[in-house]
Amino acid sequence: AQRVTQVQSTGSSQWGEVTLDCSYETSEYSYLILWYRQLFSGEMVFLIYQPSFDTQNQRSGHYSVVFQKSFKSISLVISASQPEDSGTYFCALSELGSGYNKLTFGKGTVLLVSP
Amino acid sequence: GGIITQTPKFLIGQEGQKLTLKCQQNFNHDTMYWYRQDSGKGLRLIYYSITENDLQKGDLSEGYDASREKKSSFSLTVTSAQKNEMAVFLCASSMGGYTEVFFGKGTRLTVV
Repeated sequence: AQRVTQVQSTGSSQWGEVTLDCSYETSEYSYLILWYRQLFSGEMVFLIYQPSFDTQNQRSGHYSVVFQKSFKSISLVISASQPEDSGTYFCALSELGSGYNKLTFGKGTVLLVSP
Repeated sequence: GGIITQTPKFLIGQEGQKLTLKCQQNFNHDTMYWYRQDSGKGLRLIYYSITENDLQKGDLSEGYDASREKKSSFSLTVTSAQKNEMAVFLCASSMGGYTEVFFGKGTRLTVV
């Protein structure tokens, strides 16, 4: 069975670097980890993903990840955080099948960035 | 780019009522999904569909039906609404494999 665990909440000051941690359990050799931010409206916005086969940490805009496959751990790093980055961040583990991605989500980390 | 449109945004139903949620995507993705999110929790998979007329059950399919009559649309029916089903339902789509999964803005269901 797949399982994803996230820290419940964290905070930061504006312009600071934020690290959100995620650990996971899977017996699959190949998988994908995705990060989302959920806005207060409920909208789920895709941020970045990391394939299990890729040893290079992915970057997208002011988001990057630190992927530690042997520890089954991945962190989302937000550089130069702004108050508008506040929200709930979800880590999701994707089981890869023929033509589909079945996602297992963590419960989310609430981030508050203060001005 | 593309967009996933869910209708309605808010749905209020009575206990025992049959309710239908709709989802349309213009990404031309093969696979579509329905997830449910309860307050303060992560998302759980209800149904997914790899292609038109295909339906696969997720972890939470009991009490739900789904329909994929064309590639761009995926509907979810709550067969008999219950008060403990108040939640946000999120539709998603992807090409499968090592690719992104995109979500719609959600339908918030309230059962009275």
